[in-house]
Amino acid sequence: AQSVSQHNHHVILSEAASLELGCNYSYGGTVNLFWYVQYPGQHLQLLLKYFSGDPLVKGIKGFEAEFIKSKFSFNLRKPSVQWSDTAEYFCAVTPHTDKLIFGTGTRLQVFP
Amino acid sequence: DTAVSQTPKYLVTQMGNDKSIKCEQNLGHDTMYWYKQDSKKFLKIMFSYNNKELIINETVPNRFSPKSPDKAHLNLHINSLELGDSAVYFCASSHIQGSRELFFGEGSRLTVL
Repeated sequence: AQSVSQHNHHVILSEAASLELGCNYSYGGTVNLFWYVQYPGQHLQLLLKYFSGDPLVKGIKGFEAEFIKSKFSFNLRKPSVQWSDTAEYFCAVTPHTDKLIFGTGTRLQVFP
Repeated sequence: DTAVSQTPKYLVTQMGNDKSIKCEQNLGHDTMYWYKQDSKKFLKIMFSYNNKELIINETVPNRFSPKSPDKAHLNLHINSLELGDSAVYFCASSHIQGSRELFFGEGSRLTVL
């Protein structure tokens, strides 16, 4: 079945540590890719998105993601996390002409 | 000005009752969605409307009935509420063409007792 997989369910880091959250999808063809963040008690907000062009995408708050087509991956990275990055992170994929499909989410906890 | 607004934000009700959640967007988008987020934070699409027409209807019990009076509004009515309906319901909107970046409302937390 077509899907979006986030293998890291719960990540715990100390401040200033580097972050990489995995995202893999199983759709063939052209896709649009997104990372959304949900801070505690809040709605989802867009971190970054990829449509075409440079596979390394820069987002808000120092986040970036790299699209590797051969690996069907779109991993999220941040070189140095902060306590305020504590949130749930969702990878999402839009196969063209279809709906946005979310991964199961990764809960990130950052301790001071 | 809130781009996607939902009401109510919190809803506590008894099993068997009927309730509605309203959603409005002022972004000029032509497509609106309802997503359900369960206690494990899993987000699942329920419905999508494009210009008042239903385009996505996932496997959702027919107790759930969306209504879109115009392309800026998408309401969700739930009949005969069950314990398993407890969740946070998010409304979202986007353009159907292009990137389909979704803009989300703040969510409506439904608790069924």
